[in-house]
Amino acid sequence: GDSVTQMEGPVTLSEEAFLTINCTYTATGYPSLFWYVQYPGEGLQLLLKATKADDKGSNKGFEATYRKETTSFHLEKGSVQVSDSAVYFCALSASGGSYIPTFGRGTSLIVHP
Amino acid sequence: DAGVIQSPRHEVTEMGQEVTLRCKPISGHNSLFWYRQTMMRGLELLIYFNNNVPIDDSGMPEDRFSAKMPNASFSTLKIQPSEPRDSAVYFCASSPSGSQIYEQYFGPGTRLTVT
Repeated sequence: GDSVTQMEGPVTLSEEAFLTINCTYTATGYPSLFWYVQYPGEGLQLLLKATKADDKGSNKGFEATYRKETTSFHLEKGSVQVSDSAVYFCALSASGGSYIPTFGRGTSLIVHP
Repeated sequence: DAGVIQSPRHEVTEMGQEVTLRCKPISGHNSLFWYRQTMMRGLELLIYFNNNVPIDDSGMPEDRFSAKMPNASFSTLKIQPSEPRDSAVYFCASSPSGSQIYEQYFGPGTRLTVT
């Protein structure tokens, strides 16, 4: 079945550091890929998405590129802020099926001033 | 748009009591999902509706859990009787039909504590 694997957290960084959160997936066909962010006490929010190979999703300084050859969708940001502290979820929605998303376990990011 | 609305935001109840969680999806969205989130198990899909019809309820833990969607603008998740291990944050999410991307829009969640 479909699956998403994220790096274990927490990831702890100083403000203005470079961020990478790794995500790899297993799916049949050509899934759509997503990153969601969950701030403390809130629900998940869509951060960015990509629907086909080599697409780059971007939002709020975050980027992720759909790499079909490595089945990856790593999240990056060049300079993190304290306000980026949250839990980040990688997810996929497979084509040709019920479109029910499959979520990773989430990676907690803590940014110190 | 008001987004997905959930009520109550917090619920504390005693073991054995009935609990009803409520959700109003975004207007025009035809798919609705109920999730449970805990530290141990992460985010779990409980049930998925499309056009008010339950499509996949394989994630519902046991018969104590039931969900309904009587119309396009309202859904409930009921636990009867509740147990301490049901303590979690329960999220409702909706998604637009006809979209090939199928991103989801989550509500703020209901934090349930069963003592």
